[in-house]
Amino acid sequence: DAKTTQPNSMESNEEEPVHLPCNHSTISGTDYIHWYRQLPSQGPEYVIHGLTSNVNNRMASLAIAEDRKSSTLILHRATLRDAAVYYCILSLGGKLIFGQGTELSVKP
Amino acid sequence: NAGVTQTPKFRILKIGQSMTLQCAQDMNHNYMYWYRQDPGMGLKLIYYSVGAGITDKGEVPNGYNVSRSTTEDFPLRLELAAPSQTSVYFCASSPNRVDYTEAFFGQGTRLTVV
Repeated sequence: DAKTTQPNSMESNEEEPVHLPCNHSTISGTDYIHWYRQLPSQGPEYVIHGLTSNVNNRMASLAIAEDRKSSTLILHRATLRDAAVYYCILSLGGKLIFGQGTELSVKP
Repeated sequence: NAGVTQTPKFRILKIGQSMTLQCAQDMNHNYMYWYRQDPGMGLKLIYYSVGAGITDKGEVPNGYNVSRSTTEDFPLRLELAAPSQTSVYFCASSPNRVDYTEAFFGQGTRLTVV
């Protein structure tokens, strides 16, 4: 399964945009890019996913590089409730294989 | 609409004991999954199922068994508990292959083997 690389941790300020990077240089043409987040003591929660084009939903935006070797999750205005571990995942064959994720902290 | 329900929430087992972690979903999803999460780590896929009667191994299946007799339920069985199975277990479901859609996770079962 293709692997992803994310920074271990990031900090942001409340009400500012946050850009969470993810590298996936071994991605294949049919791998989807998924983002999930996990709040403390909870199960993971779906954020967004895409294949080639940039995607927007009510939670976030996903920007995918043209060569698909990297992507960025964008939270437009961080709130304290966005503090969580964010996982960038490549899926193929109907399975989500999690990596270590990025722990995002949000300062008031 | 309860989503994915896991029981129990907490359990302490002695080495060598057996138990079944229950997972039920009320969304009529065909696909279901079991993950474990060790402290400070990401989730590891144990087993998954693409429909009633069909299961397959994930990344870390050793020491576990599953069955899927109905669409709603996907129990995970530990036959001979070992300290290495101390972890938080998450069940998830999705309406279609998870490549194309979102997965819904339960709140987890925290298991300690002593």
